[in-house]
Parts: sequence; structure tokens; C-alpha cells
Amino acid sequence: GQQLNQSPQSMFIQEGEDVSMNCTSSSIFNTWLWYKQDPGEGPVLLIALYKAGELTSNGRLTAQFGITRKDSFLNISASIPSDVGIYFCAGPPITGGGNKLTFGTGTQLKVEL
Amino acid sequence: GAVVSQHPSRVICKSGTSVKIECRSLDFQATTMFWYRQFPKQSLMLMATSNEGSKATYEQGVEKDKFLINHASLTLSTLTVTSAHPEDSSFYICSVPTSGNTGELFFGEGSRLTVL
Repeated sequence: GQQLNQSPQSMFIQEGEDVSMNCTSSSIFNTWLWYKQDPGEGPVLLIALYKAGELTSNGRLTAQFGITRKDSFLNISASIPSDVGIYFCAGPPITGGGNKLTFGTGTQLKVEL
Repeated sequence: GAVVSQHPSRVICKSGTSVKIECRSLDFQATTMFWYRQFPKQSLMLMATSNEGSKATYEQGVEKDKFLINHASLTLSTLTVTSAHPEDSSFYICSVPTSGNTGELFFGEGSRLTVL
């Protein structure tokens, strides 16, 4: 089945720094989604991407749908303590089941004050 | 406010007992809901698709007799872990599509099951 690998696995950054993380797949996707999960809670949708090459922002977050359709990137500018959490990329299968998401391995973000 | 609500948020049970977890869509009707399982420090794995008024569809490797899913109304899906064992201890999360087939989901708060 589809596998989504995220890197880095975890990162420890200073408050105010910019953050970059990526997600790669062995197969193509038509949709890329980025979710954030706080400890002990369900994920929350951050950004959705529907077109190869698309660049979308949501506040301090910017995500891009890779041209090859096999990767996506998420950037967070000027990180703050509440950015702490696990960031997951996700995508549905190419054929049917647009809401049946495969989730990536996750990137855990920790922010130092 | 919450769009999807799960109950209970935490449950501890003895091995061999059954546990029911409820997932409610608060703001809109959902003909489809999704159940995920997440082990510590791991990603979310889709277990099954809950279909209102019909049988759930299970992902490969998920035992349908072990994880009973009922979706009797447009706002409620339940997951029952039958004859629970310690290896069933996990974080179970349900989700509801926002609209259409976009992949944009609302997730519940999750239910942490610990089987002793």
C-alpha cells in the first residue's frame, strides 16, 4: 500500500525560528493534507492542497504540493510555543475513497523558549 | 466548539471484557465516519469505514469480529472492542468528512483504551 515518509522525525528548535518539514511518497497523490496533533487529542487540519505545484498559506504556515506529486512540504515561520505537536501529512488513494486517508510517519516539533 | 465528540476519553478495562466507544457528529449528519487507531509514538492507521445503515468496511488485517462497528444514525457511530486484550490498548480516534470527497476530516478527541 501507499507509504508516506516524513522528515525529520523530530526537531527541537528555538522560539522564533522557521521550521521546514517534508513528506515523500512512493506513489503519486492527487491531494495532500497537513494535520497537526496535540498530545492526547485528535488531529486538526492545517492546510489542504489539490493541485501539483500549488503553494498555500494559512497564517504562519505555508505548504506546497510537489510538482512530481510524490512529495509535499510544510513550513512554519517564526515558531511559537503553541506550535509544539506532531505534524502529519496525509493523502487519499488515487482511485476512489477520497476521505480514506493514509497518514505519514509524523514530525514531532518541540520549541524551546 | 467541537464538531466531533468521542466518549469515553479514557477507559481502563480487564482483559476479556468488551468496551464500547461512541463517536458523535455534532454539527452535521454523517453517512460515513472513519475509525483510526494510533499506538504510542506512531502514526494513525485506518481501521474501518463506518457506513450509516449498512455494514462497515474494514481495512486489511483488521478483524471485523474483534472490532464491531455500528452506525445506526447519521450522527452516531460506535466501535466495540470485543474480548479486549492488552495488545488492544491504544488511542482510538474517529473522524467525519467535512463535505464531499476532499480528504478534509474533522477528528474526535480520541479515546485511550488501556486493557489490564
